[in-house]
Amino acid sequence: DGGITQSPKYLFRKEGQNVTLSCEQNLNHDAMYWYRQDPGQGLRLIYYSQIVNDFQKGDIAEGYSVSREKKESFPLTVTSAQKNPTAFYLCASSMWVAATYNEQFFGPGTRLTVL
Amino acid sequence: AQSVTQLDSHVSVSEGTPVLLRCNYSSSYSPSLFWYVQHPNKGLQLLLKYTSAATLVKGINGFEAEFKKSETSFHLTKPSAHMSDAAEYFCVVSDPINAGNNRKLIWGLGTSLAVNP
Repeated sequence: DGGITQSPKYLFRKEGQNVTLSCEQNLNHDAMYWYRQDPGQGLRLIYYSQIVNDFQKGDIAEGYSVSREKKESFPLTVTSAQKNPTAFYLCASSMWVAATYNEQFFGPGTRLTVL
Repeated sequence: AQSVTQLDSHVSVSEGTPVLLRCNYSSSYSPSLFWYVQHPNKGLQLLLKYTSAATLVKGINGFEAEFKKSETSFHLTKPSAHMSDAAEYFCVVSDPINAGNNRKLIWGLGTSLAVNP
């Protein structure tokens, strides 16, 4: 099955701890994205990566970090510097080079709760 | 600059009646437009997309949308609502590759659709 997997589905963290969210895709897509979703605010872009070993900040990158060492994987670390990390996190991927429009495919999401 | 406005935050319909979810956009280019659906605590699924071909776009689950450039609208419709349509719907706009903004997706705030029996 082709698709995007995110793990874990639910994650609980104590204040002051860093935590890493996993995102893997087997669609052979070039680009990958991380979004944060809060009630009533739609989706906000945290980071994106167009190619391996390269990534760009989105609109709300502060307190987050990413890496892109493999085409298939784009993990997101929520650091202790993120002031309000409780949210639903969505990973997405898309073809980049060949496509003229940016249709993105989404994983099932990870709900992070800070206790 | 791009923007997208979903005109209703909540829509409630009865099962079997038509659905209309309204979306207006702003773009300096000929944009691509998308509708995504999200069921509770799930990821997002693409319903349909407009990419400068036919202005009436048919999607999955009986949904369709019409691109109206003169009205800068991309409203989502379905002739007859089903209980399983209850979800959050997002309208999204993206500029073409030559716009120079990395084809960033601009998301509406969403419309919550409730379907009553």
